[in-house]
Amino acid sequence: DQQVKQNSPSLSVQEGRISILNCDYTNSMFDYFLWYKKYPAEGPTFLISISSIKDKNEDGRFTVFLNKSAKHLSLHIVPSQPGDSAVYFCAASGGSGGSNYKLTFGKGTLLTVNP
Amino acid sequence: ETGVTQSPTHLIKTRGQQVTLRCSSQSGHNTVSWYQQALGQGPQFIFQYYREEENGRGNFPPRFSGLQFPNYSSELNVNALELDDSALYLCASSVFLGEQFFGPGTRLTVL
Repeated sequence: DQQVKQNSPSLSVQEGRISILNCDYTNSMFDYFLWYKKYPAEGPTFLISISSIKDKNEDGRFTVFLNKSAKHLSLHIVPSQPGDSAVYFCAASGGSGGSNYKLTFGKGTLLTVNP
Repeated sequence: ETGVTQSPTHLIKTRGQQVTLRCSSQSGHNTVSWYQQALGQGPQFIFQYYREEENGRGNFPPRFSGLQFPNYSSELNVNALELDDSALYLCASSVFLGEQFFGPGTRLTVL
């Protein structure tokens, strides 16, 4: 039973355009959501997070939107750069642990930004 | 500041053997979590250690066990290896209730 789903295995965008990565979840107990970026031969790197009490969080070129009623979140990257090419994982946690406790990950989306 | 390190980088074992993977947490961190990432999948939570005690466990059998030492480094032990244990094993350290920082992982191949 996959509680966090990233239905697009891959996404290709042109440099300078917007990248939108999507994530759906099924567990209503999730109250903290994170996006990680992973390059080959490296561990996942934290990108941005959002608490369930918010619907938007922005950090530079990265914005995460949360729609609790739809159990859906998305990551927007504007403008996209070739260095953003990586696998992006959506992750969620629930209960009192916040971002520290058990993270449930999606399968990831491979983003390719073409020059 | 040294980040999270893991050893070894790669490991090849045969079915039925036992393996120990090691993780050094980032300076100042007291919590270590272990994840298994199978090919084409996202990382899956194995367990977490906080101040040398197990602080939660995912859906993994008892042959997956761990330790955390007084310096907050950690080991993951897997007994009776199975072919499906082939995966990238990721360690993440954090302060309690803080962001998890991941190491580069150990690639385990079971033949």
